[in-house]
Amino acid sequence: DAGITQSPRHKVTETGTPVTLRCHQTENHRYMYWYRQDPGHGLRLIHYSYGVKDTDKGEVSDGYSVSRSKTEDFLLTLESATSSQTSVYFCAINSGRTDTQYFGPGTRLTVL
Amino acid sequence: TQLLEQSPQFLSIQEGENLTVYCNSSSVFSSLQWYRQEPGEGPVLLVTVVTGGEVKKLKRLTFQFGDARKDSSLHITAAQPGDTGLYLCAGAPSGTYKYIFGTGTRLKVLA
Repeated sequence: DAGITQSPRHKVTETGTPVTLRCHQTENHRYMYWYRQDPGHGLRLIHYSYGVKDTDKGEVSDGYSVSRSKTEDFLLTLESATSSQTSVYFCAINSGRTDTQYFGPGTRLTVL
Repeated sequence: TQLLEQSPQFLSIQEGENLTVYCNSSSVFSSLQWYRQEPGEGPVLLVTVVTGGEVKKLKRLTFQFGDARKDSSLHITAAQPGDTGLYLCAGAPSGTYKYIFGTGTRLKVLA
């Protein structure tokens, strides 16, 4: 199994509070991704990174920001959480040599 | 914007039946991936198809990439309860690693 972890695994927060999710990899993969998964929508890309300090927006980036200050960590921040951001968030990594993405176990976020 | 549409969205079948899941797009992809996801876990790659017309087999699962590289199918022969899960197709615009996923097909195989 690829070495990829997410923290926290579960979080309940209130509307308007900031939230940061962490993705950590031990594979030294170049690409890292944040997706959200909601019923009927499959996986939707929020942001991804193609190197340290290099990031780009995905299809559902509004309300989210990311940072990657070192290869192994990719942070997803909700500056002011809203109920519409209640979801399961998955981090994924890709070496850039193939199309294989390896996914973390997910973080279930509930915004009340 | 490239989209991947999967059908059917839900499928409930008896053990031993065959089924086919489709992944369609109006755009050309350099490759398409198929993932399976079980409850509470992240998706896991099953296969990548690269060449138009390509057929790949993984035990009872057969994957096909359309000749025009706009669509793909997953056929399961003699489904088993262990095949239950969410099946997702994915692809990235040529030359990028910015992946999009289909909406998924939720399969339930009853014993």
